[in-house]
Amino acid sequence: GNSVTQMEGPVTLSEEAFLTINCTYTATGYPSLFWYVQYPGEGLQLLLKATKADDKGSNKGFEATYRKETTSFHLEKGSVQVSDSAVYFCALSGDNQGGKLIFGQGTELSVKP
Amino acid sequence: GAVVSQHPSWVICKSGTSVKIECRSLDFQATTMFWYRQFPKQSLMLMATSNEGSKATYEQGVEKDKFLINHASLTLSTLTVTSAHPEDSSFYICSARRGTDTQYFGPGTRLTVL
Repeated sequence: GNSVTQMEGPVTLSEEAFLTINCTYTATGYPSLFWYVQYPGEGLQLLLKATKADDKGSNKGFEATYRKETTSFHLEKGSVQVSDSAVYFCALSGDNQGGKLIFGQGTELSVKP
Repeated sequence: GAVVSQHPSWVICKSGTSVKIECRSLDFQATTMFWYRQFPKQSLMLMATSNEGSKATYEQGVEKDKFLINHASLTLSTLTVTSAHPEDSSFYICSARRGTDTQYFGPGTRLTVL
């Protein structure tokens, strides 16, 4: 079945450092891929998404490119801020799955000033 | 726009009692709502998919008689944990979607069963 694997956390970075959170997936067909962010005490928010191969999703300085050849959707940001501290979830929605999301295990990011 | 609320945000109950959690889409009509369960430091696991006016579709391994889901209107879905036990303690999260639009998540409900 479909699955998502993302790098384990916690990840601790200094402010203005470069961020990469790896995400790989297993799916048949052409799933849509998502990154969600969960700030402390809040619900999940959609950060960015890509619906087909080679698409790049971007938002708030974060980017991720849908790479079908490597089945990956790594999240990157060139310069993180303290306010980016949160848990990040990679997720996919498979073909003809009625919108059901399958999540990775989440990666906690802590950015220190 | 696209706000989803959950109530209560936190509930403690005694073992053997039932607890109802509400999920509301505040500014849009949700044709589909999803219920997830999240254990500490772990990912979200989909429990069931609920379409307005029809029976919920449960994921494999989820007891439909224990986790009763009702989606009576386009803005409200409820999850009732029946005869709750300590192992049901968890963080329950709903999401709502209009058509094939993006899912919007509620803030979650923390259930503690004593």
